[in-house]
Amino acid sequence: AQSVTQPDIHITVSEGASLELRCNYSYGATPYLFWYVQSPGQGLQLLLKYFSGDTLVQGIKGFEAEFKRSQSSFNLRKPSVHWSDAAEYFCAVGSGYSTLTFGKGTMLLVSP
Amino acid sequence: NAGVTQTPKFQVLKTGQSMTLQCAQDMNHEYMSWYRQDPGMGLRLIHYSVGAGITDQGEVPNGYNVSRSTTEDFPLRLLSAAPSQTSVYFCASSQTGDNQPQHFGDGTRLSIL
Repeated sequence: AQSVTQPDIHITVSEGASLELRCNYSYGATPYLFWYVQSPGQGLQLLLKYFSGDTLVQGIKGFEAEFKRSQSSFNLRKPSVHWSDAAEYFCAVGSGYSTLTFGKGTMLLVSP
Repeated sequence: NAGVTQTPKFQVLKTGQSMTLQCAQDMNHEYMSWYRQDPGMGLRLIHYSVGAGITDQGEVPNGYNVSRSTTEDFPLRLLSAAPSQTSVYFCASSQTGDNQPQHFGDGTRLSIL
């Protein structure tokens, strides 16, 4: 069965510093991979997605992610974090019939 | 552009009560699904539907029923609420195809006393 691991429950980054959130997946076939962001009290917003082709994908709000098949990873990055990026981030893998298997999330805290 | 609309936004129930969480989408999406979100657990799939009249179970279906009589609506029913069902519930929809991104509603925060 498919699974997603986000090793970091919380991460604190200084404003202006770079960010990398880790995601490892387990899936038998070519995965469909997604990153979502959730602000407090809100629903989930899609940041970016990977289906095939270029392994470096660009998303909204200046985020990017790199798919590495050999490492079963899909890490999310941003060169310079803004205070408004503080939120919870979820990595997910497509599970068939357009459903998703989510990781447990990483809470990003941004310090001044 | 409404997208995915969930009602109510908040609800408090007593153990044993029944309730229906409503979900409607106006994007003509075939796929719809329900997830629950609990602290430290991420989102877990409850039920999903690939079209009107077709539903199936997800990872955590016990205690929940669904039906899909129209493309637009996908209600989630709790027949006899239990404290373990205290959670935030999200409805999502997407176009047909596993590579299509899910569009999420804003959630229903449900407390069972």
